[in-house]
Amino acid sequence: QLQLQESGPGLVKPSETLSLTCTVSGGSISSSSYYWGWIRQPPGKGLEWIGSIYYSGSTYYNPSLKSRVTISVDTSKNQFSLKLSSVTAADTAVYYCARRRSMANFDYWGQGTLVTVSS
Amino acid sequence: AIQMTQSPSSLSASVGDRVTITCRASQGIRNDLGWYQQKPGKAPKLLIYAASSLQSGVPSRFSGSGSGTDFTLTISSLQPEDFATYYCLQDYNYPSFGQGTKVEIK
Repeated sequence: QLQLQESGPGLVKPSETLSLTCTVSGGSISSSSYYWGWIRQPPGKGLEWIGSIYYSGSTYYNPSLKSRVTISVDTSKNQFSLKLSSVTAADTAVYYCARRRSMANFDYWGQGTLVTVSS
Repeated sequence: AIQMTQSPSSLSASVGDRVTITCRASQGIRNDLGWYQQKPGKAPKLLIYAASSLQSGVPSRFSGSGSGTDFTLTISSLQPEDFATYYCLQDYNYPSFGQGTKVEIK
């Protein structure tokens, strides 16, 4: 059974960089069939797609966040990572990693991790 | 960016009711649409992909329809475990979610 697990600091200071890692177990991140993505959800609000990456390193990002987002992959560790720079309180959210199997098909999700931006 | 307008934002229904939720895209998205269920404190769960394909393990009371700009999620007979928030997601051009529909107990 595929499992995804987010990890990283739960508290980040304003203007700093948020860094999270998603570890994939029970399957290979190097499969040619999937993209891997990050989605976030501010407390009490809706879902926002942040960006996605292919095992080759090809990425695409939400245009509204593109200037601050970097997603990378480490196939040797079966992990992919998110960096979001210059964070503000508006970036406080639960961050999820997920596997994208096909169009609009995010079929496996991590449990999510809350990141709070505060001094 | 493609905007997804989901309605209603909330609804009250009883067990056994037929429930319909709609999503309208600001431009045509073929059938590149999925529906997700989210319960409090949990990750979203995929119900429907490609507008009308039922994800493995999802009860058959859930169904999806539509193509182009207008899409519908139908729950044929609402069960107690279906009280949750539902989101549509378009993946035609940079994925974007609808605002969500909270289904509450009447």
